[in-house]
Amino acid sequence: QQQVKQSPQSLIVQKGGISIINCAYENTAFDYFPWYQQFPGKGPALLIAIRPDVSEKKEGRFTISFNKSAKQFSLHIMDSQPGDSATYFCAASSKQGAQKLVFGQGTRLTINP
Amino acid sequence: DADVTQTPRNRITKTGKRIMLECSQTKGHDRMYWYRQDPGLGLRLIYYSFDVKDINKGEISDGYSVSRQAQAKFSLSLESAIPNQTALYFCATRQGARETQYFGPGTRLLVL
Repeated sequence: QQQVKQSPQSLIVQKGGISIINCAYENTAFDYFPWYQQFPGKGPALLIAIRPDVSEKKEGRFTISFNKSAKQFSLHIMDSQPGDSATYFCAASSKQGAQKLVFGQGTRLTINP
Repeated sequence: DADVTQTPRNRITKTGKRIMLECSQTKGHDRMYWYRQDPGLGLRLIYYSFDVKDINKGEISDGYSVSRQAQAKFSLSLESAIPNQTALYFCATRQGARETQYFGPGTRLLVL
């Protein structure tokens, strides 16, 4: 059973556009929601993360929007650049779950120049 | 040098063979993890270790075993490999209660 569901599976955006990736979770005990970025041939690396006490977190061109009541969170990439082309994973964890990360299925993002 | 290294980076083996994937870290972190990545399934946790004497099963531990030889080394073994275990395997580390996990570059395993 997939506890964190991610969509879309793949996404193509024009340079300068906004990329949006969505995730939904089931476990209300989750208290940490990171996004990881993975380039081909590399391991995932933390991009940005949020806790449920805030509804939005912004770091440069990357923003997480969080909706606790809907149990959804999303990653927005503003002014998308070809260098943003990568696979993105949302994840969630909880202290009572020993902080084990549960990952979404991943989204392959392609930014066309 | 990379903080989290994995060997080998690529491996082809045959069904029924025993294989070991190794992970080493120089970050001084106490917690280490093994994941497998499959297209459309994301990353799934195989085993995790909070210290040398504390090893725990993850979501998909069947067919796998691990060994934490030292704080810096965590190995994953497939006792009798099967084609279904063809995947990309990642090791990750984390320090204590800090949330961020740091991933190695991965091992691509093909079981024929």
